[in-house]
Amino acid sequence: QKEVEQNSGPLSVPEGAIASLNCTYSDRGSQSFFWYRQYSGKSPELIMSIYSNGDKEDGRFTAQLNKASQYVSLLIRDSQPSDSATYLCAVSWGKLQFGAGTQVVVTP
Amino acid sequence: DVKVTQSSRYLVKRTGEKVFLECVQDMDHENMFWYRQDPGLGLRLIYFSYDVKMKEKGDIPEGYSVSREKKERFSLILESASTNQTSMYLCASSFFPGLPTDTQYFGPGTRLTVL
Repeated sequence: QKEVEQNSGPLSVPEGAIASLNCTYSDRGSQSFFWYRQYSGKSPELIMSIYSNGDKEDGRFTAQLNKASQYVSLLIRDSQPSDSATYLCAVSWGKLQFGAGTQVVVTP
Repeated sequence: DVKVTQSSRYLVKRTGEKVFLECVQDMDHENMFWYRQDPGLGLRLIYFSYDVKMKEKGDIPEGYSVSREKKERFSLILESASTNQTSMYLCASSFFPGLPTDTQYFGPGTRLTVL
């Protein structure tokens, strides 16, 4: 059974701090990795995609991929209350497999 | 911008009814997907399609069928709705032919309640 694992949270982060989210996956053949944000009652929206080892930055978000250790992480710098949401990790191995998500709560 | 629309945001049906959920995308995407999302279980793939009139089973196809008569439209059908099909249903699409691992864009979702 191929799996994508995330801590469910909630991850409580003070406003202005860095939120660090982790995701591990079971299939070494995975090619593409995605982070989606989902607000309560809404559908997932893409934040980042990453395909090769290392870091990828986009604004306040940084995705980090380590294929050897089979994990992908997301850092949110200068966290804002509007970042409060559930963050879904998705990994592809022929089709996209989603983790159950990590809930992030940014406290003022 | 990619736009994926779903026919209803909220739907209430009775056990045994036949239910149609419609999804339309306006970006000429090749691939379309249906997921359901339940608390603690994440998104689970029901069916997907790479092309018109083709379909592939996902992880949980039982109790569902799909139809793709036109490239932009992908329908999910619950032949005889049951209470355990109460869920949030999400449609998604992606561009590259035969590459289901491409970025997927989601519709707003349909919250279905089966009484």
